[in-house]
Amino acid sequence: DTEVTQTPKHLVMGMTNKKSLKCEQHMGHRAMYWYKQKAKKPPELMFVYSYEKLSINESVPSRFSPECPNSSLLNLHLHALQPEDSALYLCASSRTANTEAFFGQGTRLTVV
Amino acid sequence: KQEVTQIPAALSVPEGENLVLNCSFTDSAIYNLQWFRQDPGKGLTSLLLIQSSQREQTSGRLNASLDKSSGRSTLYIAASQPGDSATYLCAVSHTRGYSTLTFGKGTMLLVSP
Repeated sequence: DTEVTQTPKHLVMGMTNKKSLKCEQHMGHRAMYWYKQKAKKPPELMFVYSYEKLSINESVPSRFSPECPNSSLLNLHLHALQPEDSALYLCASSRTANTEAFFGQGTRLTVV
Repeated sequence: KQEVTQIPAALSVPEGENLVLNCSFTDSAIYNLQWFRQDPGKGLTSLLLIQSSQREQTSGRLNASLDKSSGRSTLYIAASQPGDSATYLCAVSHTRGYSTLTFGKGTMLLVSP
């Protein structure tokens, strides 16, 4: 099983809404990642969790708040987003840092 | 700062052709290099991972090579099929600082019947 599951697949939210993106893996991976991808661009790293601790925050605005409740789950809490935050949000995991990364199918987020 | 370049940006070939996608990186201090496939609006599918100590990896019709000293990798696709149409992304995991993936901008491949 090399599956990373993301929910929801699509999300439309207003600028005053609060929503959460969820990511789950059952491969026993201890590194999990959030990436943001705009159209026709490569993925950009947002956050890295290693052994459930935040290791890297790539200067992401505080309206994005990550959470890692346990080794299988990764959430991204969204609040007061801007239309320019509309993008495909990808979750990934790997056994540890520097090992093969597996990506989910993404959440297509539209901020209106 | 690690920079990854992929050439060509787009490629259109008829079905059955063999083709090569190129990836280059500026800092040879890498742990590994990974090739991904991405269909429009979808996530990334891992195709091949090459460790820094390896020269090549093969999976079915795909063969990836790595020349770490010159900062180059190629992805060879044999007997291309319309189902191979997608964007192919190269990413390197580097050793300087905390290791994360740095992606190239991708090659958009179209295989016509």
